[in-house]
Amino acid sequence: GAGVSQTPSNKVTEKGKYVELRCDPISGHTALYWYRQSLGQGPEFLIYFQGTGAADDSGLPNDRFFAVRPEGSVSTLKIQRTERGDSAVYLCASSLNSGTQYFGPGTRLTVL
Amino acid sequence: AQTVTQSQPEMSVQEAETVTLSCTYDTSESDYYLFWYKQPPSRQMILVIRQEAYKQQNATENRFSVNFQKAAKSFSLKISDSQLGDAAMYFCAYRSPSKIIFGKGTRLHILP
Repeated sequence: GAGVSQTPSNKVTEKGKYVELRCDPISGHTALYWYRQSLGQGPEFLIYFQGTGAADDSGLPNDRFFAVRPEGSVSTLKIQRTERGDSAVYLCASSLNSGTQYFGPGTRLTVL
Repeated sequence: AQTVTQSQPEMSVQEAETVTLSCTYDTSESDYYLFWYKQPPSRQMILVIRQEAYKQQNATENRFSVNFQKAAKSFSLKISDSQLGDAAMYFCAYRSPSKIIFGKGTRLHILP
């Protein structure tokens, strides 16, 4: 596609549930990044993939958060046992190697 | 650790006038990239301008220019001939090898 796409656009879930957020990067981009943006804040880094492997997952807040990129293209961010504090906009970005990052429109997650 | 500080939570400017958004950062690295991103209500992060630290010349992109002071670790954004479409959140950002570190943002209002 022409840009980074993310689905769903909005996700409402209940505390304790499991959610998956999907990111489709720009075709050919080898690097993929996940960020979390809480209300009134700038995005915060979660994890970075180079190809299929997680090259840096230092931003994942705890073991409830996990991300995969099995074929080096689409990525899924998985959150187990969601908590109200997980409510935020989750942004995905991709780049060619370590070049300029292009962002998707984000998924707004609301945990009730 | 690298940090990015934006000291102006909100700013307003009259349409067609010029406005400057401030940003300071802290790093011990000598080579890095700095960015200004725009985030309209659609949530999409849009790259406005980027600066490579090893380049002394300030970057410009049409009505957008930066004042990069490496020794002072300052990176301000100047928007000339402000337009209604410039209204958005603006984030200053620093790129370390695998991730971008964002400031908290400045909300820019354009007054008609």
